[in-house]
Amino acid sequence: NAGVTQTPKFRVLKTGQSMTLLCAQDMNHEYMYWYRQDPGMGLRLIHYSVGEGTTAKGEVPDGYNVSRLKKQNFLLGLESAAPSQTSVYFCASTTGSRQPQHFGDGTRLSIL
Amino acid sequence: AQSVTQLDSQVPVFEEAPVELRCNYSSSVSVYLFWYVQYPNQGLQLLLKYLSGSTLVKGINGFEAEFNKSQTSFHLRKPSVHISDTAEYFCAVSAYHSGYSTLTFGKGTMLLVSP
Repeated sequence: NAGVTQTPKFRVLKTGQSMTLLCAQDMNHEYMYWYRQDPGMGLRLIHYSVGEGTTAKGEVPDGYNVSRLKKQNFLLGLESAAPSQTSVYFCASTTGSRQPQHFGDGTRLSIL
Repeated sequence: AQSVTQLDSQVPVFEEAPVELRCNYSSSVSVYLFWYVQYPNQGLQLLLKYLSGSTLVKGINGFEAEFNKSQTSFHLRKPSVHISDTAEYFCAVSAYHSGYSTLTFGKGTMLLVSP
């Protein structure tokens, strides 16, 4: 039982490059989330999705785009990476607000 | 909008001593409360949750938390900690409005257990 899988686990980019982070869950969850974690800041919500084909902005959406073309996948895109986007990115999924979110192991992204 | 304040960024404690990690929240709607733990280089794992009912909730690894509505607090406690409890702990509040649920996290408390 894989749960939530994030790909890749590590990545180094140059400023201005683009990339896509993939999140896949095998629990048939409706809700999916992307967070970034920075030292002393906790986790901050970037974007989320309440079902296939839907997305919504979170607390820190600027510079990111997302897509949820399939229920099990939630993609996070950086169109033009900036050093301020160096962070650890976590994906999570859940069935609803009364249930805990299940987290992936994170993607460590460094932008030079 | 909801917010979460974890009052201590670091809590050092000796092994087998009791510990309390403090969490206060604010929200304009009914909330559900969670504590998560993060071990180094891993994702977050659920420790416990409060949805309704008894204000004292028990979680995994001997942790428990008490929901206090009047003080808007949800402090995490353990009567005797182990070295293996060294990790970062996050308090989170879930609010459900307009059909959508989002989770707001505190900034985390690093629990450092020494022998």
